[in-house]
Amino acid sequence: DAGVIQSPRHEVTEMGQEVTLRCKPISGHDYLFWYRQTMMRGLELLIYFNNNVPIDDSGMPEDRFSAKMPNASFSTLKIQPSEPRDSAVYFCASSLRGRLVSYEQYFGPGTRLTVT
Amino acid sequence: DAKTTQPPSMDCAEGRAANLPCNHSTISGNEYVYWYRQIHSQGPQYIIHGLKNNETNEMASLIITEDRKSSTLILPHATLRDTAVYYCIVRDVLYNTDKLIFGTGTRLQVFP
Repeated sequence: DAGVIQSPRHEVTEMGQEVTLRCKPISGHDYLFWYRQTMMRGLELLIYFNNNVPIDDSGMPEDRFSAKMPNASFSTLKIQPSEPRDSAVYFCASSLRGRLVSYEQYFGPGTRLTVT
Repeated sequence: DAKTTQPPSMDCAEGRAANLPCNHSTISGNEYVYWYRQIHSQGPQYIIHGLKNNETNEMASLIITEDRKSSTLILPHATLRDTAVYYCIVRDVLYNTDKLIFGTGTRLQVFP
């Protein structure tokens, strides 16, 4: 398996522009997570989905952020309009909740977003 | 908020065992201890997890105290590639939480 795939790997945009980050989870996984990592705040969970349905979006910073999962193999995180404080590395992760109660999340390589 | 306390940094000589401590004094009965690491510029990587028994896999060993209030991750023969930030996470896998709440972790530097 190729693992979790994220695109683009790097994004540089100007303040006010719309940014869309993409994620393809590992095939067969039923959970998908979006995280953001900054020096100041560390690694934060933004939102996660189970079977394409958003379960917890309490970490989404504000209405400028939105996430969708139209099918089991694709998710997007959109920022509109973007601001310089959104500059961060955004990670997508997926996992499978099987019969066992314990399971691990597999992370993608991240998208480094710079908003100027 | 993270429920764990870890030292901010540690050093280890290459080839020696690296012992990374974690305090989780408020852990409850349903909560597992998970360890992840993040090598510079990469996404976090799962290492190991446990409930109350000691665990070992190809990457590391996890020693959990009998009262479960603390644990130690052991990398038996550290290499330069083990230089990373190591996160200890307490997670309730029975009731809700599918979430991982990352703290600040321990930055392990392995030197030659």
